[in-house]
Amino acid sequence: DGGITQSPKYLFRKEGQNVTLSCEQNLNHDAMYWYRQDPGQGLRLIYYSQIVNDFQKGDIAEGYSVSREKKESFPLTVTSAQKNPTAFYLCASSIREGATEAFFGQGTRLTVV
Amino acid sequence: DQQVKQNSPSLSVQEGRISILNCDYTNSMFDYFLWYKKYPAEGPTFLISISSIKDKNEDGRFTVFLNKSAKHLSLHIVPSQPGDSAVYFCAASADWAGKLIFGQGTELSVKP
Repeated sequence: DGGITQSPKYLFRKEGQNVTLSCEQNLNHDAMYWYRQDPGQGLRLIYYSQIVNDFQKGDIAEGYSVSREKKESFPLTVTSAQKNPTAFYLCASSIREGATEAFFGQGTRLTVV
Repeated sequence: DQQVKQNSPSLSVQEGRISILNCDYTNSMFDYFLWYKKYPAEGPTFLISISSIKDKNEDGRFTVFLNKSAKHLSLHIVPSQPGDSAVYFCAASADWAGKLIFGQGTELSVKP
């Protein structure tokens, strides 16, 4: 079945540690994105990538880093510089050209203690 | 600067009645609008969309209306069902799809 897989679903980390969230898609989509959801704030764009080996900052990129070495994969690293990392993280993908909607993964709930 | 706004955090509707969810936007460059439905601890799922060249799009019980002059769109669900209870996000795009700007969401509760 084609889709987007985020892992793990729940993740706990100690304050000051970097953590990497996984996102894999087998939809053959060129574009991939990371969003963050906080209560009452909707989904905010962290980073997006239109093509392999290229990515751009979204609205709230500070404290995050990404890589796009393969078309299928777009991992997100939450660094210790992110001041408020506890949130629900969502990965999405879409066809690059003439696309309509983006398809989302099931999300990763990150809790930093 | 919130470019896409959903001013109602919650909405409660009786089963069988119409649910109307509203969304306002400020960027006149937006040319594609979408509605997503989201359950807790899950990713959003696409519901319905509309291009700026249209003013209405219908899919079964769901209809989206776009008023470009007012920079306003709405989602109508009729008849509403208890399974429709979820958070609904509107989203807009100014260029190729995917770089979507989301509203804050409206939590719909459909009571039997």
